[in-house]
Amino acid sequence: EPEVTQTPSHQVTQMGQEVILRCVPISNHLYFYWYRQILGQKVEFLVSFYNNEISEKSEIFDDQFSVERPDGSNFTLKIRSTKLEDSAMYFCASSSQGVSDQPQHFGDGTRLSIL
Amino acid sequence: LAKTTQPISMDSYEGQEVNITCSHNNIATNDYITWYQQFPSQGPRFIIQGYKTKVTNEVASLFIPADRKSSTLSLPRVSLSDTAVYYCLDADFGNEKLTFGTGTRLTIIP
Repeated sequence: EPEVTQTPSHQVTQMGQEVILRCVPISNHLYFYWYRQILGQKVEFLVSFYNNEISEKSEIFDDQFSVERPDGSNFTLKIRSTKLEDSAMYFCASSSQGVSDQPQHFGDGTRLSIL
Repeated sequence: LAKTTQPISMDSYEGQEVNITCSHNNIATNDYITWYQQFPSQGPRFIIQGYKTKVTNEVASLFIPADRKSSTLSLPRVSLSDTAVYYCLDADFGNEKLTFGTGTRLTIIP
């Protein structure tokens, strides 16, 4: 069964540094998403991306964050000037269509630890 | 404001059938009900989705009554590996983001 893959599985970074989290969505999917989950808390939506542009973003997704699809297979989340509170699991997801009857498929996440 | 309401936790013995009920009183006409499973340190995994009546796949069944204000996820003959958090989501038609609640923490007892 096709999967969403994310790298690295764990990223440790000094506060103030930039990080790039990488995702390879399922190959025929067109809609891409980032979510995060702070330890012990809910999974929170960050951003959705379609046709090379952001289609929706949450209040969390401020100027510190950006997304990019640099080629036909990768989807990245960049976090600039990381803060301690950015420590969380970050999940990438993809779906074939951006509508409710097509489920989103999630990767196993990148654990981001800010020191 | 939570769109769905489900029990915080449930325990069950191995081999039993487990039913987790979710309330979604304000579900819109075009919305689907979607269930995900999450193990520690892993991403949510899609289990099943339905609009009304009954849907069954290789891992679960989903029952949605005619008024669609609730749904029940049924896991047949659970095993220890089914210990996880189960999320019921009301997926808005045309609204791409998924809104997760706190889910139901299911613990299977040997």
